[in-house]
Amino acid sequence: EPEVTQTPSHQVTQMGQEVILRCVPISNHLYFYWYRQILGQKVEFLVSFYNNEISEKSEIFDDQFSVERPDGSNFTLKIRSTKLEDSAMYFCASGAGTNEKLFFGSGTQLSVL
Amino acid sequence: DAKTTQPPSMDCAEGRAANLPCNHSTISGNEYVYWYRQIHSQGPQYIIHGLKNNETNEMASLIITEDRKSSTLILPHATLRDTAVYYCIVRVKAAGNKLTFGGGTRVLVKP
Repeated sequence: EPEVTQTPSHQVTQMGQEVILRCVPISNHLYFYWYRQILGQKVEFLVSFYNNEISEKSEIFDDQFSVERPDGSNFTLKIRSTKLEDSAMYFCASGAGTNEKLFFGSGTQLSVL
Repeated sequence: DAKTTQPPSMDCAEGRAANLPCNHSTISGNEYVYWYRQIHSQGPQYIIHGLKNNETNEMASLIITEDRKSSTLILPHATLRDTAVYYCIVRVKAAGNKLTFGGGTRVLVKP
């Protein structure tokens, strides 16, 4: 079965540094998403992306966050100036159409020190 | 999106059927019922979805009541590898719509 691939699997950074989390969605998918999960908490929606623009974003997705699909295959999440509270597992997901199932990657564990 | 209510946890015996209930009494006509699961800290994994008819695939069966206000996910022969958090999600049929995860049911399959 095709997979969503995320790199790196673990990222450690200092507070205030910029990080870029990378995802390769499934090749024929059109809809892309980022979620995060703080340890012991729910999986939270951050942003959805379609046709090279943000479709929807949550309150968490403030000016410190941005997403990009730079080359038609990668989908990235950038955090400009990381805070301690950004420490979480970040999941990328992609979907083929309106009500199709979403496929999730295995996540990037971000630790902000 | 309509909210769902699930028991926070349940145990089941290996080899037996696991029946996971979900209430979604405010579901609207264009909302599908989805089930996902999350094994440990892995990414959520799709299990099954349906609108109003019962559905079955290689992983599970989904039984939706006639009034669509509740559903049951059935894992026919639970294995230890089915230990996970199971999420029942209702989702509006609209382009690019997200999944909204609740707390789910933590299922522990015991030998």
